[in-house]
Amino acid sequence: KAGVTQTPRYLIKTRGQQVTLSCSPISGHRSVSWYQQTPGQGLQFLFEYFSETQRNKGNFPGRFSGRQFSNSRSEMNVSTLELGDSALYLCASSLDGRATEAFFGQGTRLTVV
Amino acid sequence: GENVEQHPSTLSVQEGDSAVIKCTYSDSASNYFPWYKQELGKRPQLIIDIRSNVGEKKDQRIAVTLNKTAKHFSLHITETQPEDSAVYFCAASRGGSTLGRLYFGRGTQLTVWP
Repeated sequence: KAGVTQTPRYLIKTRGQQVTLSCSPISGHRSVSWYQQTPGQGLQFLFEYFSETQRNKGNFPGRFSGRQFSNSRSEMNVSTLELGDSALYLCASSLDGRATEAFFGQGTRLTVV
Repeated sequence: GENVEQHPSTLSVQEGDSAVIKCTYSDSASNYFPWYKQELGKRPQLIIDIRSNVGEKKDQRIAVTLNKTAKHFSLHITETQPEDSAVYFCAASRGGSTLGRLYFGRGTQLTVWP
């Protein structure tokens, strides 16, 4: 079956702009988590959605938000972009997030200039 | 919250040797421990995982051990090959209020020299 799909793969944005990233989980998976990966900070948890509800949130400012649709697809939005938001954004899908295998998408590489 | 520490940050071995990466966790409620391999420019891939009711799990050349009392778990790769070169991440997960969240270690850059 198809894996986790993230779009777009690459993005270049200007400071102050906003961006929306998309994640389509594996069919049947209802939990989608988002992570920010940078060389200095490693994999940092942003938030997790399950059945269209945000179940957990990491320590990121309110400029980072997300949502999940009824088909389990998820989007994350970053408003008022800052240079420090440049990173690889990864989503992971799992059946229900309860200590089950999580599979990552290929990520969206965001560059803020 | 949970804190996962991973050592070493870099590891170089000769092809055919074994490699061991160690992680410790702080929350005794953590009950699921996956390991991911990330090659340069690619997504993290789940390579093996272990649950808290199991002490050891093997899959061909890789194995993971878990010591719940000491709160540490390790990845063992035997007969290493150049294609094992990658960054390896350990992670821990617990239920309750942090469902769906993985706490990651900082990663180990493994280099296997031919």
